[in-house]
Amino acid sequence: ETGVTQSPTHLIKTRGQQVTLRCSSQSGHNTVSWYQQALGQGPQFIFQYYREEENGRGNFPPRFSGLQFPNYSSELNVNALELDDSALYLCASSLEFEGLGYTFGSGTRLTVV
Amino acid sequence: TQLLEQSPQFLSIQEGENLTVYCNSSSVFSSLQWYRQEPGEGPVLLVTVVTGGEVKKLKRLTFQFGDARKDSSLHITAAQTGDTGLYLCAGRGSTLGRLYFGRGTQLTVWP
Repeated sequence: ETGVTQSPTHLIKTRGQQVTLRCSSQSGHNTVSWYQQALGQGPQFIFQYYREEENGRGNFPPRFSGLQFPNYSSELNVNALELDDSALYLCASSLEFEGLGYTFGSGTRLTVV
Repeated sequence: TQLLEQSPQFLSIQEGENLTVYCNSSSVFSSLQWYRQEPGEGPVLLVTVVTGGEVKKLKRLTFQFGDARKDSSLHITAAQTGDTGLYLCAGRGSTLGRLYFGRGTQLTVWP
């Protein structure tokens, strides 16, 4: 059973650019959530996807968008990058959107300069 | 504003000592989870508590969920250097699968 894999592991982008982060969910999991973890903070919920549809969103602007594919993998897209977007982006998968247990990937460390 | 407040924020102890980490909120959660995160890695689920007053033990770790389902504690007995890491509590709301995380407690155990 494979866990959650995220790519890339590290990324450096310039302010104003766009970025796409990718996540493969754990085998058998159909729900994917994305979190942003700034340095010294706990993860903050960005949004969640269930059966290819967004079914919950945190307090993040529309320039944060996502997709879930039929194989339950997911993408997080961020447009018009700002310096404050520098953070560890975590993907978590679970079975059904009310799952009691979440499996997190190792994250993508995004640095915006 | 953090929905969940964790204390202490930092904890540095010697191997063999006992410690307790607290997670408090004014909100009620349908369940509460504890995770441990190491540098460069994602959080790893340690336990989920669901019922008010519930106590769960995982070897030297004891987790308790408050009667009102608003707070929780993690107690570690005879800490080991391998317990070093960031301990995060996360509450699940009544809708969706969204988790609300605390800021975490950074635990360092010295030999």
